[in-house]
Amino acid sequence: DGGITQSPKYLFRKEGQNVTLSCEQNLNHDAMYWYRQDPGQGLRLIYYSQIVNDFQKGDIAEGYSVSREKKESFPLTVTSAQKNPTAFYLCASRDRGSGANVLTFGAGSRLTVL
Amino acid sequence: DQQVKQNSPSLSVQEGRISILNCDYTNSMFDYFLWYKKYPAEGPTFLISISSIKDKNEDGRFTVFLNKSAKHLSLHIVPSQPGDSAVYFCAASALSNYQLIWGAGTKLIIKP
Repeated sequence: DGGITQSPKYLFRKEGQNVTLSCEQNLNHDAMYWYRQDPGQGLRLIYYSQIVNDFQKGDIAEGYSVSREKKESFPLTVTSAQKNPTAFYLCASRDRGSGANVLTFGAGSRLTVL
Repeated sequence: DQQVKQNSPSLSVQEGRISILNCDYTNSMFDYFLWYKKYPAEGPTFLISISSIKDKNEDGRFTVFLNKSAKHLSLHIVPSQPGDSAVYFCAASALSNYQLIWGAGTKLIIKP
């Protein structure tokens, strides 16, 4: 089955530690996205990538980093510079060739900073 | 500055009745609108969309209405079923850049 796999589903981190969230897709989609969801708020864009080896900052990129070395993979690193990292993180992808602006999401990763 | 607003954090509807979820936007450049459904601890799934050249789009029990002059859209679910209990997000974009702007979501609860 085609889809997006995010891991880990739950992650605990001590303050000052960097953590990396994995996102893998087998949909052959060119574009991939990372969003953050906080209670009572809409999804906020962290980073996105339209093609391999290229990515752009979203609205809340500070304290995060990404890489896009392969089409199917778009890992997100939450660095110690992110002041409030506890949140639900969602990875998504889009088929640029379809012309439709419909995203497919993974199941999410919940990060808790202790 | 919230460009997409869902003013009702929650909505409770009797099973079998109509559910109406509302969404307002401020940016007149938005020309494509989507509704997503999200269960707890899962990612959102696409439900239905509408472009600004239409004022209505139907898919089974789901209908989205767009009122461009009022900058308002609504999602109608008829009849409501227990499996419809979820958080519904409204999102908007300008086709020129594909970046989605999301509302805060409305939690729909279907009562038996």
